[in-house]
Amino acid sequence: DSGVTQTPKHLITATGQRVTLRCSPRSGDLSVYWYQQSLDQGLQFLIQYYNGEERAKGNILERFSAQQFPDLHSELNLSSLELGDSALYFCASSPWPSGGAYNEQFFGPGTRLTVL
Amino acid sequence: DAKTTQPPSMDCAEGRAANLPCNHSTISGNEYVYWYRQIHSQGPQYIIHGLKNNETNEMASLIITEDRKSSTLILPHATLRDTAVYYCIVIRGSTLGRLYFGRGTQLTVWP
Repeated sequence: DSGVTQTPKHLITATGQRVTLRCSPRSGDLSVYWYQQSLDQGLQFLIQYYNGEERAKGNILERFSAQQFPDLHSELNLSSLELGDSALYFCASSPWPSGGAYNEQFFGPGTRLTVL
Repeated sequence: DAKTTQPPSMDCAEGRAANLPCNHSTISGNEYVYWYRQIHSQGPQYIIHGLKNNETNEMASLIITEDRKSSTLILPHATLRDTAVYYCIVIRGSTLGRLYFGRGTQLTVWP
């Protein structure tokens, strides 16, 4: 158990809909990262927050947005869903903002999103 | 960040050492080598990292060649629970925390 929790575990929805995925980082961790894992693209970095501020952006679509709240939990919002958005979405946390020697990230169990 | 090359799959007998290679020939001086693993559809798990020197922790050892162009992750006594995809990731010192996962190596440990 990494200490990172994600809800829900599974989500099934229809194309065009909007969903919100939630992540609670390990106690005391200030950084939250979101990753998407699909069969064809592998694990891809989406976005990072550090202490409430957006820190880095990866291959995140404009239809997707995220935020980190004052209590440090984070939400990933996915809108106008398409079939291709079906994937595992992982949240990770770490105590540090960044840095080569400080990249140990603790991953949650993921949310499996299925878009029908 | 430097690109890495790993074999797509390897196997190993239970109780034997598993040696997973990674090539990172374009690595630069301030880039670290990290290893993560992902057991089927679970969240990835950090294993170990290093810059120049060999490193060891309770999970594994990391051997980095003197020219730093390749490394080997060693699981000294592999168990069935070590069956997973292993990712070698090279990260710049100034990287803003993101991890770029390639396709990794599927390690299968057989009884």
